[in-house]
Amino acid sequence: QSVLTQPPSVSAAPGQKVTISCSGSSSNIGNNYVSWYQQLPGTAPKLLIYDNNKRPSGIPDRFSGSKSGTSATLGITGLQTGDEADYYCGTWDSSLYWVFGGGTKLTVL
Amino acid sequence: QLQLQESGPGLVKPSETLSLTCTVSGGSISSSSYYWGWIRQPPGKGLEWIGSIYYSGSTYYNPSLKSRVTISVDTSKNQFSLKLSSVTAADTAVYYCARQTLAAAGTLFFDYWGQGTLVTVSS
Repeated sequence: QSVLTQPPSVSAAPGQKVTISCSGSSSNIGNNYVSWYQQLPGTAPKLLIYDNNKRPSGIPDRFSGSKSGTSATLGITGLQTGDEADYYCGTWDSSLYWVFGGGTKLTVL
Repeated sequence: QLQLQESGPGLVKPSETLSLTCTVSGGSISSSSYYWGWIRQPPGKGLEWIGSIYYSGSTYYNPSLKSRVTISVDTSKNQFSLKLSSVTAADTAVYYCARQTLAAAGTLFFDYWGQGTLVTVSS
């Protein structure tokens, strides 16, 4: 049972938009920055979003992040079959440990 | 380009100690801007943070694993290591090492990851 709650799965058609939520508390998301990670099948996770809404170099602007209160959201527009992956949110908890969400499997129908 | 590479036994017996090393190349482990972390992923499951270390040796551990975990750093070899004691089948997982950037605003995030190494606990 993860401290950060994500939906187990989401799906959408190619070209559409999807959002993935990440719900926490005041001890983690509420007072710390959130990052998002994409894990393609059989590969290591990759940083997608950091500081709630910033994209590392090379990450297309189809990927966006936002935070409000104790929840964060990852948005993906113009879905492609290559976006099928597991997505994880993560943040620091003020009790001095890092937490990941349970992960969300994205299916592009 | 920064690279991280995990190394260590792929098979560990129950009750023994799992030991892994992460070798960092293309950058210095002694930079004040980074922590260095271990994350694991049991087969078919999500990511679990194990712990992180600063080049000075300061550590933070997952409370659920703290009693069994030791993370250390060897700046002369540009490596950091993980020891997990008294392992059981539940510790079977892919183990990743990763760089955790500490930005000016106090933010933390994992920006470089190793490819991961599968460790199986079995007799």
